[in-house]
Amino acid sequence: DAGVIQSPRHEVTEMGQEVTLRCKPISGHDYLFWYRQTMMRGLELLIYFNNNVPIDDSGMPEDRFSAKMPNASFSTLKIQPSEPRDSAVYFCASSSKGRYEQYFGPGTRLTVT
Amino acid sequence: AQSVTQPDIHITVSEGASLELRCNYSYGATPYLFWYVQSPGQGLQLLLKYFSGDTLVQGIKGFEAEFKRSQSSFNLRKPSVHWSDAAEYFCAVVGGSARQLTFGSGTQLTVLP
Repeated sequence: DAGVIQSPRHEVTEMGQEVTLRCKPISGHDYLFWYRQTMMRGLELLIYFNNNVPIDDSGMPEDRFSAKMPNASFSTLKIQPSEPRDSAVYFCASSSKGRYEQYFGPGTRLTVT
Repeated sequence: AQSVTQPDIHITVSEGASLELRCNYSYGATPYLFWYVQSPGQGLQLLLKYFSGDTLVQGIKGFEAEFKRSQSSFNLRKPSVHWSDAAEYFCAVVGGSARQLTFGSGTQLTVLP
């Protein structure tokens, strides 16, 4: 069984550029979560979806961040324009209906110079 | 609101020694509790979970955890640590109708040869 898939694994970009992170949840899972991990703030939930619908985006730091889930097998997190303080590891996780444990992808390490 | 405290930022043990990582939670009712492990450059892997029933739960890699309601604790244990257990460990809680995991700040485990 394939786990959660994220791409790219590493992204280096210059300040002001648009960045798109991608996630494919585990097949059959209907919840999808986006997290950000930094040394200073630890793991933060940015947004989560249920059946492709955003449920809680209160963790999205600014309007520069947006997330979409056009179908059950794909989600994107976009940062436009990117800033150096966005440098972090971004994780996607998924879980199934009726179960609370989440399964994490390998993460995307974003560096904004 | 639920919260998780991991009082130990860093723990060092010798290979073969026993291990206990502490986790305290705050939640009004019976929570769902989890332990995750993160190796360097990797995503978070679920070690074990507690929902109800037997308060001593077994997980993968020889880990176990005990739920103690009176102490609001969910400590992780392993009788004999292996060098490959060196990683960061996160305790997490979810409660009620919420789907979001609330993570502790993590405990970094170093294993000495």
